[in-house]
Amino acid sequence: GAGVSQSPSNKVTEKGKDVELRCDPISGHTALYWYRQSLGQGLEFLIYFQGNSAPDKSGLPSDRFSAERTGGSVSTLTIQRTQQEDSAVYLCASSRSTGTYEQYFGPGTRLTVT
Amino acid sequence: ELKVEQNPLFLSMQEGKNYTIYCNYSTTSDRLYWYRQDPGKSLESLFVLLSNGAVKQEGRLMASLDTKARLSTLHITAAVHDLSATYFCAVDISNQFYFGTGTSLTVIP
Repeated sequence: GAGVSQSPSNKVTEKGKDVELRCDPISGHTALYWYRQSLGQGLEFLIYFQGNSAPDKSGLPSDRFSAERTGGSVSTLTIQRTQQEDSAVYLCASSRSTGTYEQYFGPGTRLTVT
Repeated sequence: ELKVEQNPLFLSMQEGKNYTIYCNYSTTSDRLYWYRQDPGKSLESLFVLLSNGAVKQEGRLMASLDTKARLSTLHITAAVHDLSATYFCAVDISNQFYFGTGTSLTVIP
């Protein structure tokens, strides 16, 4: 079946603008994760959703970052008032549930803040 | 603060040789994952290790977990060029994933 998809694949934005990144998980996967990968910080966990439960937001780097997941499926990561240090590849992954199940990663969104 | 350390960071090895990548972590966890990332690509799940003493093998790669030593290893047997990639380990603490720095592997003919 279809894998995890993310859009856009690339996004260039000006400092101070808001951006929205989208993730479509694999159908039937209840767990969804967002990560950020950058040269300086490596791979960072941002947030995860399990079904319709309230997300664990403890990994979000600042209050400019927020995420939601509608209907337990599609997720949107929003970054407000983007800064240059937000430039990174944002990866989304889904799994059948949390804990013991392997994660399937999307191709990522490369965000460049100029 | 949880630390996940991999070594080596860079590994250049000849085809046909064996080598081991190490992943040490600083807090208790019995869930350890290994991923592969090709240049410009996303991550691919390799192994999920869920208990002390767990060992999993796929082709030329074998992963093990020692939760008491807080150590996981990824052993490469008779390396081939197709294994060239960056390998990450990740520790799962209450569904938050902490990644190692990655090991960039280059297999030389």
